[in-house]
Amino acid sequence: QKEVEQNSGPLSVPEGAIASLNCTYSDRVSQSFFWYRQYSGKSPELIMSIYSNGDKEDGRFTAQLNKASQYVSLLIRDSQPSDSATYLCAVGLYNFNKFYFGSGTKLNVKP
Amino acid sequence: DADVTQTPRNRITKTGKRIMLECSQTKGHDRMYWYRQDPGLGLRLIYYSFDVKDINKGEISDGYSVSRQAQAKFSLSLESAIPNQTALYFCATSDGTEYNEQFFGPGTRLTVL
Repeated sequence: QKEVEQNSGPLSVPEGAIASLNCTYSDRVSQSFFWYRQYSGKSPELIMSIYSNGDKEDGRFTAQLNKASQYVSLLIRDSQPSDSATYLCAVGLYNFNKFYFGSGTKLNVKP
Repeated sequence: DADVTQTPRNRITKTGKRIMLECSQTKGHDRMYWYRQDPGLGLRLIYYSFDVKDINKGEISDGYSVSRQAQAKFSLSLESAIPNQTALYFCATSDGTEYNEQFFGPGTRLTVL
């Protein structure tokens, strides 16, 4: 079992819709959770961090964390074609100095 | 100026050659990492360093070595390059605090013929 699991997609949504990306993780002692956006051939860019249960909003992005169910999600409201990218979920275990990435979900936003 | 820089950005080399990829950062972070990315396999950790005197192997360190020359510099070497080391290589840094956010350099695209 992988430490971090993501559906590879592609996830296709029309412009203006809400895109919902999901991630599950296996280690219950995970402490920090991140979403990175990666355009093709470019480096991952950190877009959201979340550390406690609940929702965290930043502009059009909302990260949701449920530690009991061991999942993290990212909602993108009013999706734009420029949001088309691969979104990587990452999980950190500070006490064990570990940091795991999922394989990413490819998002296509159609004009 | 970019906080994390990598050189070269692209490199084509031949099997058996020694290659060095360099990473520099101005973020003042203690922790530095080298990852490779292959299509469909995500990011895989090669080596990481928590300070100048601390070097650790990641999940795929065979065929690679590293050097931490200073807090700001971390180099990755392929002693004898082989074609299956063709990949996109990323350097990353983090501040080592409880949440340990990682920040990535622009990447080096390496092709081994």
